[in-house]
Amino acid sequence: GENVEQHPSTLSVQEGDSAVIKCTYSDSASNYFPWYKQELGKRPQLIIDIRSNVGEKKDQRIAVTLNKTAKHFSLHITETQPEDSAVYFCAASGNGGATNKLIFGTGTLLAVQP
Amino acid sequence: DAGVIQSPRHEVTEMGQEVTLRCKPISGHNSLFWYRQTMMRGLELLIYFNNNVPIDDSGMPEDRFSAKMPNASFSTLKIQPSEPRDSAVYFCASRTPGTGNTEAFFGQGTRLTVV
Repeated sequence: GENVEQHPSTLSVQEGDSAVIKCTYSDSASNYFPWYKQELGKRPQLIIDIRSNVGEKKDQRIAVTLNKTAKHFSLHITETQPEDSAVYFCAASGNGGATNKLIFGTGTLLAVQP
Repeated sequence: DAGVIQSPRHEVTEMGQEVTLRCKPISGHNSLFWYRQTMMRGLELLIYFNNNVPIDDSGMPEDRFSAKMPNASFSTLKIQPSEPRDSAVYFCASRTPGTGNTEAFFGQGTRLTVV
């Protein structure tokens, strides 16, 4: 069935360094790829998303890249800050009907050391 | 809109008891998802609905789990009988499928403890 793999499971960086999290997906019908941030004890919240007609998207210190041929996408955080520490989830889905299933990766615990 | 609303926020129950979790999606959203979150397995999709109809329940772990969506503004996830291994945080999320905004919004979750 559909599957989203995410690596690494944990990531520790120094404040100011960059962090990269990578995901692969199996369903070629997927065309929507969101990234969620979950702080301890809170709900996951969307931080950025990308659709299949776009190869890259940037929002201040975060960026996502998508390679549809290889079925992988990545989250890049530059100039990391302690408040970036959280669990990050990638996900993949279609945008309607049977392909509306929203499947998440297993998460990456990011720790930014001050 | 108040967002996705889940109740209760916390539930402690004894093994063998029936547990019912509730969710009110954002008004106008016609897709609803139930997820279970554990340290070991992350966010597992249990079931999702489109227009109140269950589309895929392949993630429901056992027959002890059932979910319903009687109308566009309410869904339940029931576990009967509950077991200690069901202890987890259960999230409900909703969104509007289509070519526009497809962000899924999560409720605050229900932390279930089965003792």
